[in-house]
Parts: sequence; structure tokens; C-alpha cells
Amino acid sequence: GAGVSQSPSNKVTEKGKDVELRCDPISGHTALYWYRQSLGQGLEFLIYFQGNSAPDKSGLPSDRFSAERTGGSVSTLTIQRTQQEDSAVYLCASSARGGYGYTFGSGTRLTVV
Amino acid sequence: AQKITQTQPGMFVQEKEAVTLDCTYDTSDPSYGLFWYKQPSSGEMIFLIYQGSYDQQNATEGRYSLNFQKARKSANLVISASQLGDSAMYFCAMSFFSGAGSYQLTFGKGTKLSVIP
Repeated sequence: GAGVSQSPSNKVTEKGKDVELRCDPISGHTALYWYRQSLGQGLEFLIYFQGNSAPDKSGLPSDRFSAERTGGSVSTLTIQRTQQEDSAVYLCASSARGGYGYTFGSGTRLTVV
Repeated sequence: AQKITQTQPGMFVQEKEAVTLDCTYDTSDPSYGLFWYKQPSSGEMIFLIYQGSYDQQNATEGRYSLNFQKARKSANLVISASQLGDSAMYFCAMSFFSGAGSYQLTFGKGTKLSVIP
């Protein structure tokens, strides 16, 4: 597609439930990132995928968070047993090469009630 | 560790005036990139301008220019002839090659710019 697509745009879930957030990067972009933006804050790095290399998971805040990227394209971020502090906007970005040319999606606003 | 500091939580500017948004960074790596992004209320991160650490000249993109002072580790964004549509959050960010073998972007906390008619 023309841009990075994220779905859903909004998600309200009950505490303790699992959620899946989807990111469809720009075709041909080998690098894919997930970031989290809490209310009024800057962006916090979560995870990075580059081609077929092992992902950099150093930003994941707990083992309740996981992500996968299938076929080098679509990525899914999964949050298990959601907590209220997980409420944030989750942003995905892709780039043709690491270090430059990041394009962000519009994000998924997650609210845990 | 890499760090971006934006000291202005909020700024006001009169329409058609110029405004400077401050950004300082901290890194010991010689190779890095500096970015500015605009985030309107819709939430999308819009790329504005990029400066590489080895670039000799300041980057410019239309009404945006980046005042890159490498020795001071600053990368201020200058917006000329402000427009009402410039009202948004502005984030300074730095890309670097992490120890885990990946490129990462680290962001400042942002500056909220309000353009006054």
C-alpha cells in the first residue's frame, strides 16, 4: 500500500484480556518498528524487525508483550493479560533501510478498562 | 546512552512569524541521524526534516530548517512564516545503531506549538 496501515485504529479491552494489534508496512520495506506513546509522552521503542534477522526485543516492557512478523511483511503485536498501564497509542513504522526514511502508521489507541 | 532533550513543553507563535524549537542530544557515537516529526491531533507522525551527523550543511525543507550545531549537540528546528496548520506536537528524534544490532529511533518528549492568528 501507499502507507503504513495499522488496525484497529481504536481498541477498548477489559483488564486481563489479550489483544492483538496489526501493522501492514509499506511494500518492500524490510525494517519494521513498534513504538508506544503514553498520554502526553514521547515515543518509547518496543521492538525492531529487519529482514530475516532475529528481532531486537530490547524495548519490550514485560513478557506479556510479544510480536511477530510473518513473511517479512505484516507484523502483529500481542499483549497478554492487559493491564491499565498498557493504555497508550501503539505506533508502527517501516523503512526501506535501517537508520533512515521511517514512515509511521496512524497508530492503534488501546484503552484498558 | 542516547538521549534527546526538548526543554520547551509548549510554545506560542504569532501567525506569519518564525519560531525555533529547541533540541539537544547526547551520544558518543560518531554516526547518527537527527529527525523532526510533527504530530497533529490526528496522531499521525509526519516526517519534516533529517540531518545526518556527517552532513556539512544545515538541512532545509521548504519552511523548515534544521540549525545543526554539532559541537553543542543541538539540532533546533526553525519554522519560518508560521501557519495555523503548524499547530501540533513536534518531536525531535535521533537514530543510532544499537548494541543489539538494530537501528533505533529515540525521541524527545516533544514541544506543543500553538500558532495564534
